Amino acid sequence: DAKTTQPNSMESNEEEPVHLPCNHSTISGTDYIHWYRQLPSQGPEYVIHGLTSNVNNRMASLAIAEDRKSSTLILHRATLRDAAVYYCILREDSGGSNYKLTFGKGTLLTVNP
Amino acid sequence: DAGVIQSPRHEVTEMGQEVTLRCKPISGHNSLFWYRQTMMRGLELLIYFNNNVPIDDSGMPEDRFSAKMPNASFSTLKIQPSEPRDSAVYFCASSSQQGAEAFFGQGTRLTVV
Repeated sequence: DAKTTQPNSMESNEEEPVHLPCNHSTISGTDYIHWYRQLPSQGPEYVIHGLTSNVNNRMASLAIAEDRKSSTLILHRATLRDAAVYYCILREDSGGSNYKLTFGKGTLLTVNP
Repeated sequence: DAGVIQSPRHEVTEMGQEVTLRCKPISGHNSLFWYRQTMMRGLELLIYFNNNVPIDDSGMPEDRFSAKMPNASFSTLKIQPSEPRDSAVYFCASSSQQGAEAFFGQGTRLTVV
């Protein structure tokens, strides 16, 4: 599986934007970039995903580098409820839904009031 | 839909006993994943099924672990005999054929004493 590299931890202040980086230099052409987050004492939850173009949804934005070797998850206005571990994952698409999500260590985001 | 349902939420058992964890995926989803999470090893993918068929069980740690999916609405993860090092939170997740995101259950916290 292709691997990702994320900082162990980051801090942010409430209501400020947060940029969470992810490096994936060995990404292949068919790998989708997925982001999940895990709030304390809960299971992981999907945040956003993309292939080549930048993506926006109600939770966040995903900026993908032109060479696809890195990406950035953007939380536009962090709230205390965004404090979580954020995982950047490469999902290999081998057709249908024969794929697996392999989680790394993720980035622990702390949001200060 | 109620989401992915796991039972029990907590399980305490003695070493050597058999443990069975249960998962009900979201209706209509045809991929199911079992993960284990510990502080030391993070989130590990144990096995995943597609259309009730095991696709990749390379993450299953030992022969003591086994997983079944007898139908589209039910899966079990069994540990026999259990050992203290099996103590962890076990998550089940499901996704649809065309869907990009996986939905996780609340997890089962297993303690083997």
